[in-house]
Amino acid sequence: QKEVEQDPGPLSVPEGAIVSLNCTYSNSAFQYFMWYRQYSRKGPELLMYTYSSGNKEDGRFTAQVDKSSKYISLFIRDSQPSDSATYLCVIESNTGKLIFGQGTTLQVKP
Amino acid sequence: DTEVTQTPKHLVMGMTNKKSLKCEQHMGHRAMYWYKQKAKKPPELMFVYSYEKLSINESVPSRFSPECPNSSLLNLHLHALQPEDSALYLCASSQDGRGEKLFFGSGTQLSVL
Repeated sequence: QKEVEQDPGPLSVPEGAIVSLNCTYSNSAFQYFMWYRQYSRKGPELLMYTYSSGNKEDGRFTAQVDKSSKYISLFIRDSQPSDSATYLCVIESNTGKLIFGQGTTLQVKP
Repeated sequence: DTEVTQTPKHLVMGMTNKKSLKCEQHMGHRAMYWYKQKAKKPPELMFVYSYEKLSINESVPSRFSPECPNSSLLNLHLHALQPEDSALYLCASSQDGRGEKLFFGSGTQLSVL
């Protein structure tokens, strides 16, 4: 079993839709959870950083961590064509090493 | 300045060439990283420098040689690469090397012929 599982998609939605991106992880001891966005031919950029369980909101983006289910989510409200990118869930292991999900490719159609 | 700058943006090299990738940050971060990313795959960690000392080498072949001249600069020296080494090479930095909140550069797209 992979430490972090993420559906690679692709996911295609119309502009204005609510997008839900998800990952599952295997180790209940993990505490730090991140979402990075990567545009084509660019480096990843940090979108959301969450410690332990709960929700965190930043503008149109909400990150959610459910430690009981070992499930993390990123919601994008009122999606825009500029949100079209690959979204990577990233978890910090107990040794400090980052574990990347496979990335989900999102396309928002005008 | 929250930028990590990588040069060159694109590089084409033959298998007998020697080239170097460069990375620079001025955020006062004390940890710097090299990642390799193949198309449609997540980044893979290659090296970590923490306080200018190599702290992690993920069993990378010796044809890749990292160097950290000071806390703001990171180089990756390339020699005798193989075509399968073609990839996007990403530099990143973080505050103190715990791996959290990485700031990535835009990468160098490397093609080995």
